[in-house]
Amino acid sequence: KAGVTQTPRYLIKTRGQQVTLSCSPISGHRSVSWYQQTPGQGLQFLFEYFSETQRNKGNFPGRFSGRQFSNSRSEMNVSTLELGDSALYLCASSLTSGQGYNEQFFGPGTRLTVL
Amino acid sequence: DQQVKQNSPSLSVQEGRISILNCDYTNSMFDYFLWYKKYPAEGPTFLISISSIKDKNEDGRFTVFLNKSAKHLSLHIVPSQPGDSAVYFCAASANNQGGKLIFGQGTELSVKP
Repeated sequence: KAGVTQTPRYLIKTRGQQVTLSCSPISGHRSVSWYQQTPGQGLQFLFEYFSETQRNKGNFPGRFSGRQFSNSRSEMNVSTLELGDSALYLCASSLTSGQGYNEQFFGPGTRLTVL
Repeated sequence: DQQVKQNSPSLSVQEGRISILNCDYTNSMFDYFLWYKKYPAEGPTFLISISSIKDKNEDGRFTVFLNKSAKHLSLHIVPSQPGDSAVYFCAASANNQGGKLIFGQGTELSVKP
């Protein structure tokens, strides 16, 4: 079974631009969560989507948004990029969301550099 | 407010010995805990999990212990191998927010031959 895939793997943008990252979950997984990893803040939860609906949201500004499609693929968008948005963005998928215990399986991440 | 804490940034262990990684949490609503292993420039790899109804879970060389009264969990790796060298993250979730994991800052484990 193929794992979680993320595209692109690396991205360089300049301040003020916007960026869209893509995530394809493991086949059959319906929940997709996004995380930001930086050296100073560690791994921080951005948001989670399940059945095309945002189910949970972390403490990030409105410049960070996402969506999920009917095939469970997800995208996240960051508008008006700031230098501090430079990070590894990780996507994780799991079978279900909300009730019950579900391991999350992570993709390799997208390394975003903002200049 | 760091709800999940890994107070040891690094740990060095001899090959064949036991590695013990610790994690503390403050939120009493957490009822599911996971350990992940991470190499640089890769996503975390799931290792083992435990729900709050248990106090121990084993999978091969990996055992996780949960002490709910102390809000503490630990990961034991026996025997440690050089390939175990990586950063280990503890994560927690509340049942009503299953898709939201709160991570500790990580512990870098180095297993020396």
